[in-house]
Amino acid sequence: KAGVTQTPRYLIKTRGQQVTLSCSPISGHRSVSWYQQTPGQGLQFLFEYFSETQRNKGNFPGRFSGRQFSNSRSEMNVSTLELGDSALYLCASSARVSSGDTQYFGPGTRLTVL
Amino acid sequence: AQSVTQPDIHITVSEGASLELRCNYSYGATPYLFWYVQSPGQGLQLLLKYFSGDTLVQGIKGFEAEFKRSQSSFNLRKPSVHWSDAAEYFCAASNYGGSQGNLIFGKGTKLSVKP
Repeated sequence: KAGVTQTPRYLIKTRGQQVTLSCSPISGHRSVSWYQQTPGQGLQFLFEYFSETQRNKGNFPGRFSGRQFSNSRSEMNVSTLELGDSALYLCASSARVSSGDTQYFGPGTRLTVL
Repeated sequence: AQSVTQPDIHITVSEGASLELRCNYSYGATPYLFWYVQSPGQGLQLLLKYFSGDTLVQGIKGFEAEFKRSQSSFNLRKPSVHWSDAAEYFCAASNYGGSQGNLIFGKGTKLSVKP
């Protein structure tokens, strides 16, 4: 079974631009979560989607948004990029949305904002 | 507030030596507990998880972890470290019965292995 895939793997943008990151979960998984990883703040939860509905949201500004499609693929969007948005963005999928289910992580998208 | 603490930022051990990485949690009730490993440039790989029952949990790559409710700890151990174990290790927790996506992570412990 193929793992979680994320595209693109690397991205360079300038301040003020917007960016869209994509995540394809493991086949059959319906829950997708997004995390931001930075050296200073570590791993922080962004949001979680299940069956095209946002189930949970972390403490991030409204510039960060996401969505999930009917095939469970998910995208996250960051508008009006700031230097501090430079990070590794990780996507994780699980079969269900319950807290007992294991999340499987993708390799991440490395975003650099100049 | 819920939190996960990994007191050691960086640990260096010799190859073949034993390893223990510390993790403490602060939750209203016993959460689900996880250990993940991240190699440079990679995503996170699950090593093991604790939900309930036996407090000693076996994972992949020869790792194990022990849950101690009285100490709010979930320490990761390995009896003999291999050079390939050099990576960053993250302890994480999620609410029992809650939404699964909201994992709270510790800041991580970077493991270096001396030959």
